[in-house]
Amino acid sequence: KAGVTQTPRYLIKTRGQQVTLSCSPISGHRSVSWYQQTPGQGLQFLFEYFSETQRNKGNFPGRFSGRQFSNSRSEMNVSTLELGDSALYLCASSLNLARGETQYFGPGTRLLVL
Amino acid sequence: QKEVEQDPGPLSVPEGAIVSLNCTYSNSAFQYFMWYRQYSRKGPELLMYTYSSGNKEDGRFTAQVDKSSKYISLFIRDSQPSDSATYLCAMNVGGSYIPTFGRGTSLIVHP
Repeated sequence: KAGVTQTPRYLIKTRGQQVTLSCSPISGHRSVSWYQQTPGQGLQFLFEYFSETQRNKGNFPGRFSGRQFSNSRSEMNVSTLELGDSALYLCASSLNLARGETQYFGPGTRLLVL
Repeated sequence: QKEVEQDPGPLSVPEGAIVSLNCTYSNSAFQYFMWYRQYSRKGPELLMYTYSSGNKEDGRFTAQVDKSSKYISLFIRDSQPSDSATYLCAMNVGGSYIPTFGRGTSLIVHP
């Protein structure tokens, strides 16, 4: 089975711009979670989608949003980028995270905001 | 103070050494404890998963949870250069499946 894929792998943007990141989960997985990883804060939960519905949301401003499509693929959008948004954005998929199924992480998208 | 504290390292050990990686936490409601390994330019992968207190062994890896001290450990026996990675602890409260992660400890095993 193919693993979780994320595109693009690297991205450079400037302050004020917006960005959309994409995640394709493992085939059959319906739960997709997004995380932000920085050296200072570590891995922080952004939100989780299951069957196109956002089930959980972390403590991030409204500039961070996401969605999930009927094929379970997910996108994450960050509007009005700030320098502090520079991070590795990780997507993880699971059969059903709420039932304790293991999360499998993608390689991440590294975003640099200048 | 973060809910989960983890020394970032780096921790440098010779090949064959026993490695001890640790996390402390403040929330006594945490019940599920995990260790992830993250290689450079890769996402984390689940190594060990334990529920409540006690030990769990899987090959060269042993996970230990001491809820009374709010302290968890991961031991790696006979460490190999291929174990060089960042190790992240993570934990959930009962009834929530969203993990809280530590910042990770960088481990370097040199030949």
